[in-house]
Amino acid sequence: EIVLTQSPATLSLSPGERATLSCRASQSVSNYLAWYQQKPGQAPRLLISDASNRATGIPARFSGSGSETDFTLTISSLEPEDFAVYYCQQRANWPLTFGGGTKVEIK
Amino acid sequence: EVQLVESGGGLVKPGGSLRLSCSASGFTFSSFSLNWVRQAPGKGLEWVSSISSSNNYIYYSDSVKGRFTISRDNAKNSVYLQMNSLTAADTAIYYCARTPESDSGGVYAIFWFFDLWGRGTLVTVSS
Repeated sequence: EIVLTQSPATLSLSPGERATLSCRASQSVSNYLAWYQQKPGQAPRLLISDASNRATGIPARFSGSGSETDFTLTISSLEPEDFAVYYCQQRANWPLTFGGGTKVEIK
Repeated sequence: EVQLVESGGGLVKPGGSLRLSCSASGFTFSSFSLNWVRQAPGKGLEWVSSISSSNNYIYYSDSVKGRFTISRDNAKNSVYLQMNSLTAADTAIYYCARTPESDSGGVYAIFWFFDLWGRGTLVTVSS
């Protein structure tokens, strides 16, 4: 099973600041990595697929990068609605696995 | 409106069974793979099961294999999760999620990420 480790667990930032979230895989997943955003009481929402492809309707301030085992989700300038939990997910191998999540909170 | 709507959750005793349903609308259901993903209270996301558009590919997590069965009815735009031998560890919100497929130039591919999610249905296993 591929283990995804997200860091940090919590990121405390102010609106307007840049957020950099990390996801590290226990073995190569090529570029088969997705990112999701989840707000309290809501279902997750797809942000990025295959490491760097923004999903439909996702603002340009969200970007993904990386390959093999190291991936990054960057939010260039945090908006109030971006404070949420973010998960990565790999589709390179079965079982599909998620990272433990990074909570982006208001500082 | 493009959406997935789950139903069938509730309170069940340990050892009991439950059948979840997910109804789709607003898109060509038969062209997508479907999945169940769960989230225990206060915890992260856990993939449970997946089924391809034509039932050719079916997968389960080790934690539910032998107890849960995924199925779909393309005529009813619905996917199901039959859950048996439930334990407290199965307590979670169960989300239905869609996965895109492609059949272009004779190359068939399933992109096992989740581009549309339902709002979830809560399953509580307790005596």
